Amino acid sequence: GEDVEQSLFLSVREGDSSVINCTYTDSSSTYLYWYKQEPGAGLQLLTYIFSNMDMKQDQRLTVLLNKKDKHLSLRIADTQTGDSAIYFCAESNKAGGYNKLIFGAGTRLAVHP
Amino acid sequence: NAGVTQTPKFRVLKTGQSMTLLCAQDMNHEYMYWYRQDPGMGLRLIHYSVGEGTTAKGEVPDGYNVSRLKKQNFLLGLESAAPSQTSVYFCASTRGPNQPQHFGDGTRLSIL
Repeated sequence: GEDVEQSLFLSVREGDSSVINCTYTDSSSTYLYWYKQEPGAGLQLLTYIFSNMDMKQDQRLTVLLNKKDKHLSLRIADTQTGDSAIYFCAESNKAGGYNKLIFGAGTRLAVHP
Repeated sequence: NAGVTQTPKFRVLKTGQSMTLLCAQDMNHEYMYWYRQDPGMGLRLIHYSVGEGTTAKGEVPDGYNVSRLKKQNFLLGLESAAPSQTSVYFCASTRGPNQPQHFGDGTRLSIL
């Protein structure tokens, strides 16, 4: 089946690192994505990783992919109050004969002083 | 460069009314999508289009219709609105399959 799971909440202190975890079920996914949603706004693409990669780094963001365990994580270094948002993990999927994204329910990140 | 623009941003309807949500993109993208977002859930795909003149059903298509008469526009219609369709609707577009999707800011729709 198709399922993407994330923990619902994460609270971190400003300046610390945040790690948001995601598990997925479809081993044939070609891309895995992280989106950020701020209140009242749409989803903003943060980063994505191709399924044949283990890690991708982009400034403060590090994505780790463990294909064996179907586990994806997003690490935000030096977390700031502006990072407070909902973060969605998504996998690309071709089940049903068409390309689509399967989203997790989102992890709400709260950054406190 | 506006990206993906959705209109309207907010709307309140009575049960049984009809309305059309408009999505416009200026990136010359082939693929366009309509999602709904409900509390505690991720986005669920309603309908999508792989090019001008084409549409297809997604995960939750019942109660909705779509049209893609022009490449840059993707319309989502509710013929007879129901309270279960109260949601936030997002449109997205992408150059092709497996390419990152670009999202609009959403339309918040309430059905009374």
